[in-house]
Amino acid sequence: SAVISQKPSRDICQRGTSLTIQCQVDSQVTMMFWYRQQPGQSLTLIATANQGSEATYESGFVIDKFPISRPNLTFSTLTVSNMSPEDSSIYLCSVEGQGAGGYTFGSGTRLTVV
Amino acid sequence: GDSVTQMEGPVTLSEEACLTINCTYTATGYPSLFWYVQYPGEGLQLLLKATKADDKGSNKGFEATYRKETTSFHLEKGSVQVSDSAVYFCALSEGSYIPTFGRGTSLIVHP
Repeated sequence: SAVISQKPSRDICQRGTSLTIQCQVDSQVTMMFWYRQQPGQSLTLIATANQGSEATYESGFVIDKFPISRPNLTFSTLTVSNMSPEDSSIYLCSVEGQGAGGYTFGSGTRLTVV
Repeated sequence: GDSVTQMEGPVTLSEEACLTINCTYTATGYPSLFWYVQYPGEGLQLLLKATKADDKGSNKGFEATYRKETTSFHLEKGSVQVSDSAVYFCALSEGSYIPTFGRGTSLIVHP
């Protein structure tokens, strides 16, 4: 299955600033997914990113707040913009498994906004 | 819509104890069912899966059986180790749709 490198692993940011999270996959994939995992909560899908087109956002998430880039088939970034303490979460990227079913996840970015 | 309900954690056990983490689901069709594990500081890893009724998924001593009649997919292990301490997520996926996850259950195993 694919291996995903995600960075940064954690960050503490000031409110009102932005943070860009990067995910690099060791193989070409059609779709990449971005999730948010709030403390004690399930994973919530933010958006699906296809190469060469705009990301598709889930209800409650907008491009101005969470802009996503997908410049090629192995890389994507998620930016958390104009951060507030409510954005403190773990953010994960994911790709679909190759033949084994299930999905592969990056190691996550633990974001704390102060 | 689809949903997954897991038992609340944390589950705290002594080493070599038996583990059961309950998971039930609601779905409109015939989903595939998954258990993922998240070790401290890491992303989610697929632990096991089952794609149809009565299938049993197994890996690393963990097992779960797809029970359509009770819409359940409980995770079990006969003898847990300290290294099993992690958060476990039950999930379902219908066809090519993106998975729906439960809230996760934290497992703490003491020596």
